[in-house]
Amino acid sequence: DAGVIQSPRHEVTEMGQEVTLRCKPISGHNSLFWYRQTMMRGLELLIYFNNNVPIDDSGMPEDRFSAKMPNASFSTLKIQPSEPRDSAVYFCASSLGWRNQPQHFGDGTRLSIL
Amino acid sequence: GESVGLHLPTLSVQEGDNSIINCAYSNSASDYFIWYKQESGKGPQFIIDIRSNMDKRQGQRVTVLLNKTVKHLSLQIAATQPGDSAVYFCAENYRRGGADGLTFGKGTHLIIQP
Repeated sequence: DAGVIQSPRHEVTEMGQEVTLRCKPISGHNSLFWYRQTMMRGLELLIYFNNNVPIDDSGMPEDRFSAKMPNASFSTLKIQPSEPRDSAVYFCASSLGWRNQPQHFGDGTRLSIL
Repeated sequence: GESVGLHLPTLSVQEGDNSIINCAYSNSASDYFIWYKQESGKGPQFIIDIRSNMDKRQGQRVTVLLNKTVKHLSLQIAATQPGDSAVYFCAENYRRGGADGLTFGKGTHLIIQP
């Protein structure tokens, strides 16, 4: 079975550039989550969607970050403009239902902002 | 004093022995808990979950124990194998501001020695 698919796996770009991370959730899952992992702060929830609708974006660090889910099989996380402190591994996860269900993670996008 | 970055606790176990990884969770209203395993360069992988109306749940070679009185969660891995070497995270789910989200612990690095 295909798991959560994220692209790209690695991204290196200069500060000020726009970065777009992509995620394809597991087919049939109706909840999607974006996380960020850093050595300083560990795993942090940024935003999550249920049935393509954003439910909680309180974890999004600032207005430079935005996320969309135009359909059930695709989501993007965009950073514009990017800054060096955005360097991290960004994970997407999906689950069947948004409450008390195991979330299944992709292998992440390792983002480096120079 | 405060450490710079996440200084993960490390548990070193001989191959074939049982291991116990502990986790203290923060919110007494949390009603769902998950254990994840993360190998280098990969996303967190779901191991086992437990709801707050239970105090024990068993899977294949793994057992999760929940003590709500002291807000403590543990993961027991029987007959550890080299492939069990990874960072293990506990996560709790509770409702905040009308929305749900997983909050992850800082993780424990499990090392299996031959």
